[in-house]
Amino acid sequence: EDQVTQSPEALRLQEGESSSLNCSYTVSGLRGLFWYRQDPGKGPEFLFTLYSAGEEKEKERLKATLTKKESFLHITAPKPEDSATYLCAADNYGQNFVFGPGTRLSVLP
Amino acid sequence: GAGVSQTPSNKVTEKGKYVELRCDPISGHTALYWYRQSLGQGPEFLIYFQGTGAADDSGLPNDRFFAVRPEGSVSTLKIQRTERGDSAVYLCASSIGQGETQYFGPGTRLLVL
Repeated sequence: EDQVTQSPEALRLQEGESSSLNCSYTVSGLRGLFWYRQDPGKGPEFLFTLYSAGEEKEKERLKATLTKKESFLHITAPKPEDSATYLCAADNYGQNFVFGPGTRLSVLP
Repeated sequence: GAGVSQTPSNKVTEKGKYVELRCDPISGHTALYWYRQSLGQGPEFLIYFQGTGAADDSGLPNDRFFAVRPEGSVSTLKIQRTERGDSAVYLCASSIGQGETQYFGPGTRLLVL
């Protein structure tokens, strides 16, 4: 069965303290790996799509990378406004995305 | 441009009642998805439309759940005989096509008392 897991479940950082979030996927085939940000009470907001191992994408303080079994979301010098839940999802050539449970990030000033 | 919109934003109903949740996708997006999200969990797939037809409804939990998209744009998720376990956030997403980036609406928070 196709599955996506994320770790840690929750992460608390001080402002400026860099870290990484992990997304591990077990799927029969990967067409694309998607990262979303979700703020409380809102729908997921698209961040990145990665298609092949070795690919990297960057946006402001965020960088997403992809290997054959994992994806990482690196956060460099985070700010309090980066606090949110970060979701990853795998497109397994199916009709829908398989989402992980998310990592709740809190960045303290 | 306008994003995905969902109405109502919140819905409180009593056990056993019927509810309808509406999704208005991004203009020109042929693919439309419904997901359900419980607290602390990621979105869980319910149903996918390509145009007017339900291409995959394998995620619908039982026959109390039904969705339509009669003109290939707006979609309605219908839940009959609601149960307390149906309480969740119902998210709608649309994309240009299958496998493309899905853009989500703000969700409808359903509470069944």
